[in-house]
Amino acid sequence: GIQVEQSPPDLILQEGANSTLRCNFSDSVNNLQWFHQNPWGQLINLFYIPSGTKQNGRLSATTVATERYSLLYISSSQTTDSGVYFCAPLRAAGNKLTFGGGTRVLVKP
Amino acid sequence: EAGVAQSPRYKIIEKRQSVAFWCNPISGHATLYWYQQILGQGPKLLIQFQNNGVVDDSQLPKDRFSAERLKGVDSTLKIQPAKLEDSAVYLCASSPGGLTGETQYFGPGTRLLVL
Repeated sequence: GIQVEQSPPDLILQEGANSTLRCNFSDSVNNLQWFHQNPWGQLINLFYIPSGTKQNGRLSATTVATERYSLLYISSSQTTDSGVYFCAPLRAAGNKLTFGGGTRVLVKP
Repeated sequence: EAGVAQSPRYKIIEKRQSVAFWCNPISGHATLYWYQQILGQGPKLLIQFQNNGVVDDSQLPKDRFSAERLKGVDSTLKIQPAKLEDSAVYLCASSPGGLTGETQYFGPGTRLLVL
């Protein structure tokens, strides 16, 4: 199956700082989702991004499918951004998400 | 629009006991998924239903896990008998039609602790 690697595994930020999270995947994919898992465990959809760049407020994402990676940018981080960020490529067959190991983000006030 | 509902939210059982989880997907969503998330890892797909038929159960430990979606709406996931390594969060998700590339929407999960 497809292999998904996320980096860094852990990230500590001071409130207001910017950061970039990376997701590498081993095979061609139809699409890719980014999720934020909050401290209560709820998975929240952030982006659905097969290619190109999308922005939503302080967050933006870029996927370069031909080079098999995606990036998530957090700007002007806030304490509410704390949690785990997962990328999950969708394989060509069906609608199957394969999750990476996540990046654990802690934003300190 | 109501999201994906799951119950119970927490469950503590002893090993070798049985347990069942319930999921109600977003209204009108044809595809339903069960994931297992072990502490410190990303979720792993256990089973995918399209309406009331199984699309993929290749990673479901069928000797102890079973799942059904009898009327194409609600679903139950059962573990019998439970093992210590089944301690995890069980997440249910749904998507509108199961077409390639559809967004999946997740419920709050059920936290299972097996003692």
